[in-house]
This record gives sequence, C-alpha cells and structure tokens, in this order.
Amino acid sequence: EVQLVESGGGLVQPGGSLRLSCAASGFTLGDFEMHWVRQAPGKGLEWISYISNTGYHISYSDSVRGRFTVSRDNANPSLYLHMTSLRAGDSALYYCARGYSSRTTGEFFFDVWGQGVLVTVSS
Amino acid sequence: SSELTQGPDVSVGLGQTVTITCQGDSLRYNYASWYQQKPGQAPVLVIYGQNTRPSGIPDRFSGSDSGTTASLTITAAQAEDEAYYYCNCRDTSDTPHWAFGGGTKVTVL
Repeated sequence: EVQLVESGGGLVQPGGSLRLSCAASGFTLGDFEMHWVRQAPGKGLEWISYISNTGYHISYSDSVRGRFTVSRDNANPSLYLHMTSLRAGDSALYYCARGYSSRTTGEFFFDVWGQGVLVTVSS
Repeated sequence: SSELTQGPDVSVGLGQTVTITCQGDSLRYNYASWYQQKPGQAPVLVIYGQNTRPSGIPDRFSGSDSGTTASLTITAAQAEDEAYYYCNCRDTSDTPHWAFGGGTKVTVL
C-alpha cells in the first residue's frame, strides 16, 4: 500500500524549532518529487515546499523561505522539514504529499497525501 | 503571478449538476489539479491534466479549462460529494512554485 506518515509535530514556543518527518512506504521515494502543504485551523491549503526526486532542486513559498528547510533521505525513505523561528502563524496541520510534474504536458499534481501532523506555536 | 481565485461556496440538489471555477494566470500555461477534502481528512486528488481522474474517482467528476479559468463539474451529485474543493497549479517560473485556490464548499441538499 502506498503510504505517507508524518511525525514530529507538537507544541513549540514562538521562536522555537521543530523537525517534521514523513515516512514513505509502498513506492520508491527516489522516483518522485515531494512537497509539504499546510493548513491552518479552519483555513485552506497552502503549498510551502518542494524537493525534486534527487534533492537537487528545492523551492519554498515566500511565507517560509529562510526559516524552513526541506530535505530527504531516499535510502531511508523519508522526507523532512526543519522549521525554525516559528511564529503563531505557522500553527497548522502539515501534510507531506507526493508530486508529479511534467513541463511538457503542463500536468502538475499531488497524488498521495499523508494524514498530516499538527504543529502549534504558542507560549 | 501564481495566485488562484476560486468562486463562492455553492449548493446543489441531490442528483443535480454543479460547476466550480478557479482563475489564475498560471492556468493559461499549465493545467489545474483539483482536490476534495472532507472534514478531518486529508485532501484527495480528483482531477488532473486536461480531464483525468485517478483510479477510484467516480466518472461524475470532470474537469475543463479555458484560458485562465479551470472548472470542476460534478454531474448527478451525491451526498458523499459534500466537501471543500481546492484547485492547484504550478507557476511557469524556473524556480517552481505551486498555489492553491482558497477553496469552495460544495453542499449537497
């Protein structure tokens, strides 16, 4: 079964750090790009980070660039998100998602999602 | 710009047809993908590309696009289709960014 399972969330004080993990199973992680998407309580989805299948290409949304770092370990098939300088506005359910991109056909989508991990930033 | 704007929340009668829209400059160059999210659940991909449904998605879901607008249509809506629906698209920059629309709540009456 293709599956993504996030972990590492919790309560952290403003200015603190946290590292999220996303364990992949049922497919070869190294064949796919991966993303992090978050959802604040009662709000919509927000894309925050992309990492190519090899880890060579990376991008971030303006809201997290300079504070969050995405990485991956294809051998121990996992995706990571290291979050620093956390703010109240970073409180959200964080999802990892498997991505597919084709600049040739113009098709871009996220076909597998984890169940999410909750991050709460509060004093 | 990679921003996507979705239309207002909608209601549809059981068995009726509803279309929701998503507008954005990136849609002129790339296809939208559409996600269904029910309360307490992770999003589920329902449409991608020109009009492709992943395995397991009912054929009452269909997608279309015209210029900078993408649309998702639910034909003969069922009670289980009540959910939030989000569009998503990648921009055309060399440093890729993706954007979600704000979401549209579909209520089945």
